[in-house]
Amino acid sequence: GQSLEQPSEVTAVEGAIVQINCTYQTSGFYGLSWYQQHDGGAPTFLSYNALDGLEETGRFSSFLSRSDSYGYLLLQELQMKDSASYFCAVRGSSASKIIFGSGTRLSIRP
Amino acid sequence: DAGVIQSPRHEVTEMGQEVTLRCKPISGHNSLFWYRQTMMRGLELLIYFNNNVPIDDSGMPEDRFSAKMPNASFSTLKIQPSEPRDSAVYFCASSRGAGNSPLHFGNGTRLTVT
Repeated sequence: GQSLEQPSEVTAVEGAIVQINCTYQTSGFYGLSWYQQHDGGAPTFLSYNALDGLEETGRFSSFLSRSDSYGYLLLQELQMKDSASYFCAVRGSSASKIIFGSGTRLSIRP
Repeated sequence: DAGVIQSPRHEVTEMGQEVTLRCKPISGHNSLFWYRQTMMRGLELLIYFNNNVPIDDSGMPEDRFSAKMPNASFSTLKIQPSEPRDSAVYFCASSRGAGNSPLHFGNGTRLTVT
């Protein structure tokens, strides 16, 4: 089976940096993705890691360590609009289903 | 380029009634996923299709749920009969093939069963 664990809530200050961790268990592995969801909205794709290391996209970066079955999403220069839920998602093989973690609710204080 | 289109946006129905949710994936995307989201259970995968063929329906909760994809541009999720515990937001998502292609989600259908 597949399972993912991430913290349920994280609070940070505007302008700061925050890291959201995700650990996973899968029978196979074909990549770890991150999605953002604002209240009342739909999840939107942020990033994808198939290989170990850091992927950077503007203020957001995502890291993967396959040997540790671990990844994280790093958000820099936090803005109030970054307040949302963040989900990690894993695919066990190229043609298999995509399973989501339970989500991390990020709250940002001024 | 139009995104994934779901209808209706909101559905309120009484217990025992049939509910049909509709989804039009992005043109050219050959994978389609139905997810259900609740506070208690998060985002649950119900079923996914590849090239209009159901690949994995292990997430479909009961026989009351059924999904079809008669062609590449349309899918339905049907609940018959509906129950209050089916109340949730149902998302349809599509992607271009397998592998690392990201999921593109529709705006969801908020279902309330009274």
